[in-house]
Amino acid sequence: AQSVAQPEDQVNVAEGNPLTVKCTYSVSGNPYLFWYVQYPNRGLQFLLKYITGDNLVKGSYGFEAEFNKSQTSFHLKKPSALVSDSALYFCAVRGYSSASKIIFGSGTRLSIRP
Amino acid sequence: KAGVTQTPRYLIKTRGQQVTLSCSPISGHRSVSWYQQTPGQGLQFLFEYFSETQRNKGNFPGRFSGRQFSNSRSEMNVSTLELGDSALYLCASSAITGGDLDGYTFGSGTRLTVV
Repeated sequence: AQSVAQPEDQVNVAEGNPLTVKCTYSVSGNPYLFWYVQYPNRGLQFLLKYITGDNLVKGSYGFEAEFNKSQTSFHLKKPSALVSDSALYFCAVRGYSSASKIIFGSGTRLSIRP
Repeated sequence: KAGVTQTPRYLIKTRGQQVTLSCSPISGHRSVSWYQQTPGQGLQFLFEYFSETQRNKGNFPGRFSGRQFSNSRSEMNVSTLELGDSALYLCASSAITGGDLDGYTFGSGTRLTVV
């Protein structure tokens, strides 16, 4: 069975500092991995994905994520945080099978203080 | 192109009533998935429809049901509402079943409050 864990409910970072939002996953075979962001009273917006290839993937708004197969992790990172990055972030995983569905983590609230 | 449209945006219902939520996917997308979002549980998968057939189902009671029409629009129905059904219900569309290589495109959700 697929699962995703986001071990931190909240991450607090000062503006201008680097940020990391953690994600680990469990899936049979190779994974499709995603990060989404949600702003208040809105649906989720796609940030980036890992399908195959380079372990470091770059996405929207300066975010990037590093795929680590041995640690089954897909942590979201940004070199310099902005106040406008404050939002709810979801990691998600999907298996390669056409019968798979996308499973989301519980979410991490990112708070950037000025 | 138009995004995923969910209607209504907000609903207030009384315990015991039933409710129907609607989702129109992106034009050309044939898969619609439904998720329930609550503060404590995150996003929980309800079900997925592809070409009018239910392809996947989550662990929700039979009070939660859905369907998809030939134009790919989908409806979700909850009968005998309970207070715990209060949540943001999100619809996600994709070109292929299970989400395509760009994952899902989400609607803004329907906020259901049961009183």
